[in-house]
Amino acid sequence: DQQVKQNSPSLSVQEGRISILNCDYTNSMFDYFLWYKKYPAEGPTFLISISSIKDKNEDGRFTVFLNKSAKHLSLHIVPSQPGDSAVYFCAASAPKEGGRGSNYKLTFGKGTLLTVNP
Amino acid sequence: AAGVIQSPRHLIKEKRETATLKCYPIPRHDTVYWYQQGPGQDPQFLISFYEKMQSDKGSIPDRFSAQQFSDYHSELNMSSLELGDSALYFCASSYRPGLAGRNTDTQYFGPGTRLTVL
Repeated sequence: DQQVKQNSPSLSVQEGRISILNCDYTNSMFDYFLWYKKYPAEGPTFLISISSIKDKNEDGRFTVFLNKSAKHLSLHIVPSQPGDSAVYFCAASAPKEGGRGSNYKLTFGKGTLLTVNP
Repeated sequence: AAGVIQSPRHLIKEKRETATLKCYPIPRHDTVYWYQQGPGQDPQFLISFYEKMQSDKGSIPDRFSAQQFSDYHSELNMSSLELGDSALYFCASSYRPGLAGRNTDTQYFGPGTRLTVL
């Protein structure tokens, strides 16, 4: 049961254009969403996050949009650069009842391979 | 800035052997998470610790155990290794900023340990 879905395994865009990566989720308890970038044989690198109380968060070239009613979020990269080529993971977390302290395990999507062509 | 440190980076073991993976969180981070990523898969949550106590448990086999020590580093112990345990094992750390009731814990990942079981 995949609670976080990234339906596009890959995406190819031209340098300078916008990259839009999409993510859908099914668990209505998720209240914090993150995007990670990952190169082969390296750990995921945190890019940007958004809390469920917001619908948009922006950091430089990266903007994340959250549509709670549609249970959908997207990551926009503008302008795209060849160095952005990597696998992008969408992740979500929900509070665990009765858990101790910081107990927000992440549930990941299967990732989207972004290729930015020069 | 200091990042999450994992050791070893690569580990090769035989079936039925044991392995110990180590994780050193970012200084002042109080929570450690372990994830397993199989080939072509998304990272799957194994277990987490907050202030040296187990906080949450995911799909971790009974053959695996983990703990967090007084200096906040964590070790994942894996016994009776099986071929299917071959994977990338990531450690992540986070810090609760003290906002009770708010989920804003961003997890920062280490580079991972690649375990190969022959």
